[in-house]
Amino acid sequence: DSGVTQTPKHLITATGQRVTLRCSPRSGDLSVYWYQQSLDQGLQFLIQYYNGEERAKGNILERFSAQQFPDLHSELNLSSLELGDSALYFCASSVDGRSNYGYTFGSGTRLTVV
Amino acid sequence: GNSVTQMEGPVTLSEEAFLTINCTYTATGYPSLFWYVQYPGEGLQLLLKATKADDKGSNKGFEATYRKETTSFHLEKGSVQVSDSAVYFCALNSNDYKLSFGAGTTVTVRA
Repeated sequence: DSGVTQTPKHLITATGQRVTLRCSPRSGDLSVYWYQQSLDQGLQFLIQYYNGEERAKGNILERFSAQQFPDLHSELNLSSLELGDSALYFCASSVDGRSNYGYTFGSGTRLTVV
Repeated sequence: GNSVTQMEGPVTLSEEAFLTINCTYTATGYPSLFWYVQYPGEGLQLLLKATKADDKGSNKGFEATYRKETTSFHLEKGSVQVSDSAVYFCALNSNDYKLSFGAGTTVTVRA
């Protein structure tokens, strides 16, 4: 157990729907990162939050949004889902929001859009 | 921008064989370098890291040396086991905020 908790583990939904993925960072970590892993795109950085504020944004679609709450858990919202959004979504956390020493990943949420 | 390129797989080995996975990087400044491992059905786990030139990261029998002159961070293990079957990712920190990952190399070790 890495200490980063992601729920749900699996999600199957239809095109056009909206889903919310949840992440609780490791105890003491202030920063949360979201990544998408797909077969054709590999691991793509989506967005980072540090202590409730957005710090960096990557290849995140406008249909996707995220936030980090005062208790430091984070949610990734995916709307108007398309078949191509099917992927593994990982959350990771770090203590200080810097990547110099790496960060800790959760076990992921597998999203299947049908 | 900063990026990594790692050898394509899949790689299939017999138990006790020597494993090398090549990783080269392009970066401005002096990034930190990492190897992550992903076992089937799991998330990524940090395997080892190096934060400056000539540093050697090691863990679970794996080693990698940060070579600035060749911009490389090749992963090696002298004697692999079936339990080492996984996907291995090379990564570097593109800036202070995020890691950029290679495409991943699938390694299968046969008994």
